[in-house]
Parts: sequence; structure tokens; C-alpha cells
Amino acid sequence: EADIYQTPRYLVIGTGKKITLECSQTMGHDKMYWYQQDPGMELHLIHYSYGVNSTEKGDLSSESTVSRIRTEHFPLTLESARPSHTSQYLCASSSTSGPSSYNEQFFGPGTRLTVL
Amino acid sequence: AQSVTQPDIHITVSEGASLELRCNYSYGATPYLFWYVQSPGQGLQLLLKYFSGDTLVQGIKGFEAEFKRSQSSFNLRKPSVHWSDAAEYFCAVMDTGRRALTFGSGTRLQVQP
Repeated sequence: EADIYQTPRYLVIGTGKKITLECSQTMGHDKMYWYQQDPGMELHLIHYSYGVNSTEKGDLSSESTVSRIRTEHFPLTLESARPSHTSQYLCASSSTSGPSSYNEQFFGPGTRLTVL
Repeated sequence: AQSVTQPDIHITVSEGASLELRCNYSYGATPYLFWYVQSPGQGLQLLLKYFSGDTLVQGIKGFEAEFKRSQSSFNLRKPSVHWSDAAEYFCAVMDTGRRALTFGSGTRLQVQP
């Protein structure tokens, strides 16, 4: 079954640490996204990718960076975590091929990050 | 820039009662609209989507939504709510250039027995 995975699901870490949030999908989707969601709040797009070696910044300014070396993998990195980075991070993917090129986005379960 | 407004932050309904969640959007062109549901600690699951055609869209779990261009609305409805429907519901519009979603702030649904 095709799916989208995020690890870790929960992460508690101290200020100044470098962290990488993993996102992988098995659907062969070309487009991938990262959204940030504060508790009880809407989701904001922070990064997206059209395909391998393509990354773009989203609507919400973020100190995180992303890479897309393989189609199925879209990790997000924070070089030096701070308490202001505490949030939930959701990864999504979609396909631009098929009968409708405006296809739905499939979401992973999210990583809940707490920076102390 | 596009935007989505969900005026109701929190709604409580009794099990078996009908439900309507409101969504208003702002978008310059023909909108591509979505409703997602998020259970606690989970990712988002697509309930239904509207791209074109029939303005009444059927989704999963007995949900439906009606697109009204004149009112810039895409309200979600269910005739009879089940306790398992308690969750957070998000309306979204797609930016057809980037094919990224702009979400509303969500409506939290509580279901009373």
C-alpha cells in the first residue's frame, strides 16, 4: 500500500541542537511539501519541491532547510533548534500526472517537535 | 493572494444531529477546494474535493459539500453525526501555480452522546 512516512513522530530536544525530520513516500509522487502547524492553528506552507534537486520556500518564513536528492525522500533540517521552533511539522506529497493534474495532497502523520 | 476563512472555531453537536461547517474562500480564479479532517495526533485525511462540474460533492464517511460561487463558500455537511466524527476539520484552497494548499484555521468538532 502506498503511503507517506514521517520520523520521528515525537522529538524533545535542547536548544542549539541540529535536527533532521525525515519524510518518505512510496507513491512516486513528484511534488512534496512541508507544512508547520502550531497547536490549534492552521497549517502554513514552509517548503515545497517540484521534483529532484528542486526546492522552494513557502508562505511562512522558516529557518529550516530542505533537500530533495531522491524522489521519495524530502528531509527537513534545523541547524540550531530554538524554543520558537516548537511546533508540529507535516509532510505531504502529490502527483502532477494522471487524469487531473491538480491532485490531492497525501499527508504524513506529522512530527511533533518540542525544543526546550 | 488566496485565503480561507472558517468562522467557527469550535462546534458541539449531539450524536445523530446534522452538521454544517462553514468555509469561505478568496481566490481570483476558479477555485480548487478541499476539506480535510485531522484526528488528534494524526495527519490530515482528505474528505472531499471540488475541481469543477456538479457543485454538490460527495465525500467519504457520509460527508458532502456544496460549492456556491456567488457566496464564495464551500460548506461541509453531514446529515447524522457519529461520535467518531469528533476531530478538527480544515478547509483549503489550492494555489494552482504552485499546487500548494492554503488552509483555514480549522473548526474543532465535539460530539455529545
